[in-house]
Amino acid sequence: GAGVSQSPSNKVTEKGKDVELRCDPISGHTALYWYRQSLGQGLEFLIYFQGNSAPDKSGLPSDRFSAERTGGSVSTLTIQRTQQEDSAVYLCASSFGGSGYTFGSGTRLTVV
Amino acid sequence: DAKTTQPPSMDCAEGRAANLPCNHSTISGNEYVYWYRQIHSQGPQYIIHGLKNNETNEMASLIITEDRKSSTLILPHATLRDTAVYYCIFGRAGANNLFFGTGTRLTVIP
Repeated sequence: GAGVSQSPSNKVTEKGKDVELRCDPISGHTALYWYRQSLGQGLEFLIYFQGNSAPDKSGLPSDRFSAERTGGSVSTLTIQRTQQEDSAVYLCASSFGGSGYTFGSGTRLTVV
Repeated sequence: DAKTTQPPSMDCAEGRAANLPCNHSTISGNEYVYWYRQIHSQGPQYIIHGLKNNETNEMASLIITEDRKSSTLILPHATLRDTAVYYCIFGRAGANNLFFGTGTRLTVIP
């Protein structure tokens, strides 16, 4: 596609429920990144994919967070048993080679 | 984390040049300087990047000092739409974890 697409754009969920966030990167971009941004804060790195593999999972804040990427394309970030501190904007970006990252518009997650 | 130092905020008059400084004293020889900006409620947008030579594109110019320990992003004629948070980052080409920090909040004033 022309840009990085994320869905849903907004998600409100009850504490304790699981959520799945989806990212469609730019076609042909081999690298895919997940970041999150809490209100008024900078971007926090979560995970990086090169193809379908995730060599760097160091940023995942807890074992409730997991991510996968299939076919070298779409990625899903799953948060199990959501907590209120998980409320944030979750941003996905993709890149190819040494190009800059192209970000999606993010998913605003609110845990109530 | 590869950290940079940026002023937390700056103002610029509309139509004037906005010069945003960044210190990256720990940058190594194969690491690029990248600039992004984030307009309220949107994902960050790539602006420009460079290794050691000055760079210019349709959005901005990037001036990198000879020792590469600092750089300046120049928006030649700032408009109200340039009001955003500007992030200066460094990392290897294809780096898997660009550290964004808190950036500089640029406000363009009419």
